[in-house]
Amino acid sequence: AIRMTQSPSSFSASTGDRVTITCRASQGISSYLAWYQQKPGKAPKLLIYAASTLQSGVPSRFSGSGSGTDFTLTISCLQSEDFATYYCQQYYSYLITFGGGTKVEIK
Amino acid sequence: EVQLVESGGGLVQPGGSLRLSCAASGFTFSSYWMHWVRQAPGKGLVWVSRINSDGSSTSYADSVKGRFTISRDNAKNTLYLQMNSLRAEDTAVYYCAREKREQQLLMDVWGKGTTVTVSS
Repeated sequence: AIRMTQSPSSFSASTGDRVTITCRASQGISSYLAWYQQKPGKAPKLLIYAASTLQSGVPSRFSGSGSGTDFTLTISCLQSEDFATYYCQQYYSYLITFGGGTKVEIK
Repeated sequence: EVQLVESGGGLVQPGGSLRLSCAASGFTFSSYWMHWVRQAPGKGLVWVSRINSDGSSTSYADSVKGRFTISRDNAKNTLYLQMNSLRAEDTAVYYCAREKREQQLLMDVWGKGTTVTVSS
């Protein structure tokens, strides 16, 4: 199975900050990469797919980039509602795998 | 409103069985592939299983293959997960999710989840 590694696993930030989360695949996955946001006790929410395509209704402060094995999720100006855990997911292989998650906490 | 509502979770002893259901509404259920994804307490997301739109094709994670069975009833707009030979490590919140049209293996709508606890 393709292993997805996210970094960092957690960090603290302040509202208004620009934050970047990294996801690395153990083998090339082209652009078959999605990002999800999950808040405590809630279901995951799809933010970005095809590495850089914003899902309908997602604020434009979220952006994604990358292809092959290295990907990033960027939040340009962190808002209070963005404090959550973020997961990457590869859908290149039918054996879908997720990264371990990155928790964004309030500084 | 597009909605997925899971049910059927609970406490079960190791070796026992449980059947989860996921009721779909607000979209043409029979046109979509569907998934189950689980999340152990304090842990990340793990894909469990996938079924095609008419129920004729299924796939499973290695960790559940031979023990879990995914199925669907399109007349009832309901997805199922039959879980047998349950182990402590199957303890998790189980989410059903819809596969996004024209984007295979990508999940765009998720239910709120149902909790399964395997313990004696």
